[in-house]
Amino acid sequence: EVQLVESGGGLVQPGGSLRLSCAASGFTFSSYWMSWVRQAPGKGLEWVANIKQDGSEKYYVDSVKGRFTISRDNAKNSLYLQMNSLRAEDTAVYYCARRGSAYNWFDPWGQGTLVTVSS
Amino acid sequence: EIVMTQSPATLSVSPGERATLSCRASQSVSSNLAWYQQKPGQAPRLLIYGASTRATGIPARFSGSGSGTEFTLTISSLQSEDFAVYYCQQYNNWPPTFGPGTKVDIK
Repeated sequence: EVQLVESGGGLVQPGGSLRLSCAASGFTFSSYWMSWVRQAPGKGLEWVANIKQDGSEKYYVDSVKGRFTISRDNAKNSLYLQMNSLRAEDTAVYYCARRGSAYNWFDPWGQGTLVTVSS
Repeated sequence: EIVMTQSPATLSVSPGERATLSCRASQSVSSNLAWYQQKPGQAPRLLIYGASTRATGIPARFSGSGSGTEFTLTISSLQSEDFAVYYCQQYNNWPPTFGPGTKVDIK
């Protein structure tokens, strides 16, 4: 069974940092692009970042460029999101998702981890 | 950035009835459109990609159609487990963008 399990969320003050992790199992992790997608409380979905299979290409939504860094460790079947200079508007559930084989649709998704940025 | 809109915002349907959800793109996305279902407290689940291809394990009562800027998700006979929020997403242009969602609730 394909499974994605996020961890690392929590309460952080504005300007602070947090590192999210996503543990993948049930598929050949190193063969897929991976993504982070977020959802603010009671709101819709927003794609955040993508990373290529070997980590050589990374893409971000404009609102997080220069503050967030996506990375992966294929030996550990793990995806990461380092979030720095956090703002209140970054408050959301962050989902790890496997990207479609050739296109930017997302399947499956992890259960999500909540990041709350507040003083 | 392509803006996705969905209508209606809320759709009230009785079990067993047909539900028709609409999604519109601000410019053509060809057939590069996906639909997701999200239940309260759960992650989204992929239903449809390529505008009309059902994802693995998705029941045949879910069908997608459309191309260009106008798309439709049809649930032929609503089951109790289908009451949820449905999102469309385009992946034709960068960045990938989602619609605001349609909530399907019990009439």
